Amino acid sequence: DAKTTQPNSMESNEEEPVHLPCNHSTISGTDYIHWYRQLPSQGPEYVIHGLTSNVNNRMASLAIAEDRKSSTLILHRATLRDAAVYYCILKYSGAGSYQLTFGKGTKLSVIP
Amino acid sequence: NAGVTQTPKFQVLKTGQSMTLQCAQDMNHEYMSWYRQDPGMGLRLIHYSVGAGITDQGEVPNGYNVSRSTTEDFPLRLLSAAPSQTSVYFCASSYSKDRGPGELFFGEGSRLTVL
Repeated sequence: DAKTTQPNSMESNEEEPVHLPCNHSTISGTDYIHWYRQLPSQGPEYVIHGLTSNVNNRMASLAIAEDRKSSTLILHRATLRDAAVYYCILKYSGAGSYQLTFGKGTKLSVIP
Repeated sequence: NAGVTQTPKFQVLKTGQSMTLQCAQDMNHEYMSWYRQDPGMGLRLIHYSVGAGITDQGEVPNGYNVSRSTTEDFPLRLLSAAPSQTSVYFCASSYSKDRGPGELFFGEGSRLTVL
């Protein structure tokens, strides 16, 4: 599986936008980019995913570089509830691939 | 919908004891999996299943057994617990199997301590 690189931690002020970066320079053409987050003492939850085009949903936006070697998860207005560990994961879209590799992620702290 | 339900939430074992962590989902998901999470680490895949009667090993399968007799349930068995198995365990399920798991739905976790 292709690897991802994320900063260990980031801080944001409440109600300001947050840009969480992820590098995946060895991504293949069939890899989807997935983001999950894990709130304290909870299981991870799905945030968003994309292949080539930028994606938006009610939780966040995903901006994917044109060469797909990096992506950015955008939280438009950080709230205290967004304090969590955010994981960027590459998921091979072909048949027979069932293992998702969760790295250490980025711990986001939100300052009131 | 209950989603993914794990029991127990907390368990303390002595070295050498056996136990089963239960996982049940009510979403008719084909794919189910078990992860463990140690302090400061990401999640590591232990075992997974793409349907009833089918299981396979993940990244760290040693010391754990699984079975999948029904679509809904995917128990994780520790036959002889060791202190190295002290961890938080997460069960996850997904609707997709043919092209790998889709969006994963996680349980709340089971915190296991082995003395």
